[in-house]
Amino acid sequence: NAGVTQTPKFRVLKTGQSMTLLCAQDMNHEYMYWYRQDPGMGLRLIHYSVGEGTTAKGEVPDGYNVSRLKKQNFLLGLESAAPSQTSVYFCASSYSDRDYGYTFGSGTRLTVV
Amino acid sequence: DAKTTQPPSMDCAEGRAANLPCNHSTISGNEYVYWYRQIHSQGPQYIIHGLKNNETNEMASLIITEDRKSSTLILPHATLRDTAVYYCIVSDRGVFRGGSNYKLTFGKGTLLTVNP
Repeated sequence: NAGVTQTPKFRVLKTGQSMTLLCAQDMNHEYMYWYRQDPGMGLRLIHYSVGEGTTAKGEVPDGYNVSRLKKQNFLLGLESAAPSQTSVYFCASSYSDRDYGYTFGSGTRLTVV
Repeated sequence: DAKTTQPPSMDCAEGRAANLPCNHSTISGNEYVYWYRQIHSQGPQYIIHGLKNNETNEMASLIITEDRKSSTLILPHATLRDTAVYYCIVSDRGVFRGGSNYKLTFGKGTLLTVNP
């Protein structure tokens, strides 16, 4: 099992460009999450999904869109990248039963210049 | 989610037990205590969780006080590889209700440095 796989691992974007970050999990988890992590800020939730076809906003959703067309995939889109979106992005997944922990991916390091 | 308070940093000697405290004085009856850690540049890793009883697994032990207002994560024999930021989080367990109470909220955690 690969767990949670994030692609790409690194990316440099110019301001105004768009891109999609892909998160894939092979554990049949119902829930998936996108977090961003900035120095000194801890992890902040961007969007999350509790099942195929569902999405919901987290703490910092502005400037991002998400889609969960398949249970195993959770996509995070930046339509018009801004330097403030320079960050490390982590995807996570979990069972609906909270008696288990989250499994995190290894992160995507995004720089917007 | 209820708030947690953790010291920003701690040191521990290699081979000794590391005891990481966490205060969660406003925890409610249906909220669990979760611990995660994040080794530099990696994604966070789940360690352990509990409701009111003490818990132990292959990674650590979790001691929750009887009033549930605080807890301690214990790494019995710390190694250099245990150097990481440790997050204490409280969150309820239940079905999705469309609200904000179904997610883990990560604070700034405790940076544990294990010294040789």
